[in-house]
Amino acid sequence: GEDVEQSLFLSVREGDSSVINCTYTDSSSTYLYWYKQEPGAGLQLLTYIFSNMDMKQDQRLTVLLNKKDKHLSLRIADTQTGDSAIYFCAESDGQNFVFGPGTRLSVLP
Amino acid sequence: GAGVSQSPSNKVTEKGKDVELRCDPISGHTALYWYRQSLGQGLEFLIYFQGNSAPDKSGLPSDRFSAERTGGSVSTLTIQRTQQEDSAVYLCASSPPQTSNTGELFFGEGSRLTVL
Repeated sequence: GEDVEQSLFLSVREGDSSVINCTYTDSSSTYLYWYKQEPGAGLQLLTYIFSNMDMKQDQRLTVLLNKKDKHLSLRIADTQTGDSAIYFCAESDGQNFVFGPGTRLSVLP
Repeated sequence: GAGVSQSPSNKVTEKGKDVELRCDPISGHTALYWYRQSLGQGLEFLIYFQGNSAPDKSGLPSDRFSAERTGGSVSTLTIQRTQQEDSAVYLCASSPPQTSNTGELFFGEGSRLTVL
């Protein structure tokens, strides 16, 4: 079956860049997403990329997609303490969604 | 604007009791999903409703779990004879018709279930 993998933890210093990596297995995925979950809250869409794109930039966020290697990354520039959260990578064919285990990002002052 | 609403936000129950968790999706959203998030784990798919089609129940972990969606709107997830391993946060998400260009899921804040 489909699988999405991520490292579970990442610590960075405030002001540095964070890079969260994800690998997936389903080559038929149409959409790839990054969701953010703050403590005690549900998931909120952070950004998404279509599978026919290789890069998307949105303010401090840069998403890179290597479709050949099925590798997705999220770069957060100038990381702030408010960025501390769990980040979930997800793939979808438009109906079925598969989520990774989430990467807990800790931002150190 | 109204987002996805879930209730109760917290539920503590005794082992063996039945519980019902409610999800009120965003108006006009045709798809509704239930996920389970256990401590330190990712999201485990439970069930998916799309319009009037038969639901995809392939993720339900046992026959103690069931869900229904009345009138294409509100959904109830029922867990019978709860066990301690059912303790988790149950997340509901809805999605607009597939004409949406992002396929985004909109999540509620979840119902935290604790089985003693």
